[in-house]
Amino acid sequence: AQKITQTQPGMFVQEKEAVTLDCTYDTSDQSYGLFWYKQPSSGEMIFLIYQGSYDEQNATEGRYSLNFQKARKSANLVISASQLGDSAMYFCAMREGLYNQGGKLIFGQGTELSVKP
Amino acid sequence: ETGVTQTPRHLVMGMTNKKSLKCEQHLGHNAMYWYKQSAKKPLELMFVYNFKEQTENNSVPSRFSPECPNSSHLFLHLHTLQPEDSALYLCASSQDLNEQYFGPGTRLTVT
Repeated sequence: AQKITQTQPGMFVQEKEAVTLDCTYDTSDQSYGLFWYKQPSSGEMIFLIYQGSYDEQNATEGRYSLNFQKARKSANLVISASQLGDSAMYFCAMREGLYNQGGKLIFGQGTELSVKP
Repeated sequence: ETGVTQTPRHLVMGMTNKKSLKCEQHLGHNAMYWYKQSAKKPLELMFVYNFKEQTENNSVPSRFSPECPNSSHLFLHLHTLQPEDSALYLCASSQDLNEQYFGPGTRLTVT
């Protein structure tokens, strides 16, 4: 069964507008972490934001915020005031459980975001 | 250098060749990872090392052989690869269970 689902293969947004990238997950664990990464055309995966399953507040990092709805098992990424440099692939990922030796991330298929000038 | 570095950035090899990918992290982390990213597929975890010990082998074929001589260096030795092994190979590191930091990747083409 797919653990991480990103239903939007591609998204367009006008520069300076906000955009929401969807992510739903499936797990029976009580302890887990959710991550968003950005991958520009250069290939490097850039960590953006993290939300723990026990965190009561939605995570925010600058223009990025994570809309965490635990009951719906969704962890959408909101990018405010989009910039041209935000054009990239965006991956949602989940780490299940508590591993004592490294964290195994499961990635979604990704969403390609294009910011229009 | 800072962060996670990978060499080479691009590699073309024949099916009978032997080559190695190198990853180095300058973040003082204790865990390192190899991922494979094929076109149109999610990232696939291949190997996890923590404190130089392999803790995860995600059913990877034996033609991929990892080596972790210390917490800062990770290698992926390649031999008798297949064309379907062509992909972007990403290395990452993390401190315990926290966020993983990725290198720029090695784009591998097997001819």
